[in-house]
Amino acid sequence: AQSVAQPEDQVNVAEGNPLTVKCTYSVSGNPYLFWYVQYPNRGLQFLLKYITGDNLVKGSYGFEAEFNKSQTSFHLKKPSALVSDSALYFCAARSGDSNYQLIWGAGTKLIIKP
Amino acid sequence: GAVVSQHPSWVICKSGTSVKIECRSLDFQATTMFWYRQFPKQSLMLMATSNEGSKATYEQGVEKDKFLINHASLTLSTLTVTSAHPEDSSFYICSASLAGDRLSYEQYFGPGTRLTVT
Repeated sequence: AQSVAQPEDQVNVAEGNPLTVKCTYSVSGNPYLFWYVQYPNRGLQFLLKYITGDNLVKGSYGFEAEFNKSQTSFHLKKPSALVSDSALYFCAARSGDSNYQLIWGAGTKLIIKP
Repeated sequence: GAVVSQHPSWVICKSGTSVKIECRSLDFQATTMFWYRQFPKQSLMLMATSNEGSKATYEQGVEKDKFLINHASLTLSTLTVTSAHPEDSSFYICSASLAGDRLSYEQYFGPGTRLTVT
């Protein structure tokens, strides 16, 4: 079965420190990978995606993610965390031979402490 | 670009009544729209996938007669919760994919609708 795993329910980081939110996937064929962020009582905002090409993808708000095929991972990173980065982060994937349906991770709550 | 709106943003209704939620793609045409339900502190649960002009495809366990989805045009999809019960209270989110833009593979999300059934 296809799946996306976000092994950490919550990540705590001090402001100014680098942050990593982990994501691993299991999909058939070439994966298309996405990160979304959700603020309280709001819809999801797109951060970045990997379709093909460079394994390091840069996205909105200074976030980036690295596609690692051998480890089937797509971890989200930011060099220096801001308190305003505190939110719920979702990793999603779909296989290249499927319809537009996304497979979602459970979400990771990111808390940035001043 | 690629803005999706939902209306209403929140609604309170009484048990037994029906509620309609609209999802609109404002500046693009959406071949496919998705309806999700999100419980507190949980991930998104896909309810159904709708393609313009055809019947929606519902996920297992989702009652199609209770959650009526209509995708009448390339810019509008509606979700009607019929005979609502308190357990239907949730955050409902729609998303849309660009028509003809297969390289994007991206879903654009609406801001969500908070439904409370009393």
